[in-house]
Amino acid sequence: DQQVKQNSPSLSVQEGRISILNCDYTNSMFDYFLWYKKYPAEGPTFLISISSIKDKNEDGRFTVFLNKSAKHLSLHIVPSQPGDSAVYFCAASDTNAGGTSYGKLTFGQGTILTVHP
Amino acid sequence: GAGVSQSPSNKVTEKGKDVELRCDPISGHTALYWYRQRLGQGLEFLIYFQGNSAPDKSGLPSDRFSAERTGESVSTLTIQRTQQEDSAVYLCASSPYSGAGYEQYFGPGTRLTVT
Repeated sequence: DQQVKQNSPSLSVQEGRISILNCDYTNSMFDYFLWYKKYPAEGPTFLISISSIKDKNEDGRFTVFLNKSAKHLSLHIVPSQPGDSAVYFCAASDTNAGGTSYGKLTFGQGTILTVHP
Repeated sequence: GAGVSQSPSNKVTEKGKDVELRCDPISGHTALYWYRQRLGQGLEFLIYFQGNSAPDKSGLPSDRFSAERTGESVSTLTIQRTQQEDSAVYLCASSPYSGAGYEQYFGPGTRLTVT
């Protein structure tokens, strides 16, 4: 049962253009969402997060949009740079799980982003 | 400062042998998590530690898997009688606070190959 899905295994974008990575979730209890970036042979690194009380969060070139009714979120990177080429994971958390939230993350399968010079 | 470190970085073992994977979290981080990433899959939650107690072991795939943590420092994940389906990258993460809504800092992972 895949509760967080990234349906696009890969995305190729030209440098300077916008990259849009998508993520869908099925568990309506999820209320905190994160995006991580992963380079080969390294652990994932945190990029940006959003709480369900918001529909947008921006940090420099990265913006995350959340559509709760559609259970969909997206990460926009603009302008895209070759150094952004990596695997991007969407993750979700239920902050009220078990009465004592502990931050267990449920991840999507990842999307490989390639930014061409 | 130093990030999360894991050892070994790579481990090749024969089916049926036991393996022990180590995680050194960021100093002072209360929460520690183990995840597993099989080829082509997302990260799969295994276990969570708050200090040295493990309130949630629900992700451990079988009783061959166990984990310990010493205080708020080192954690070890042990897999007994390894099987080929255990082959994966095992990732450890730590967080300064126990609770959702906080960033988790990941180590580089241990790539386990069971032959």
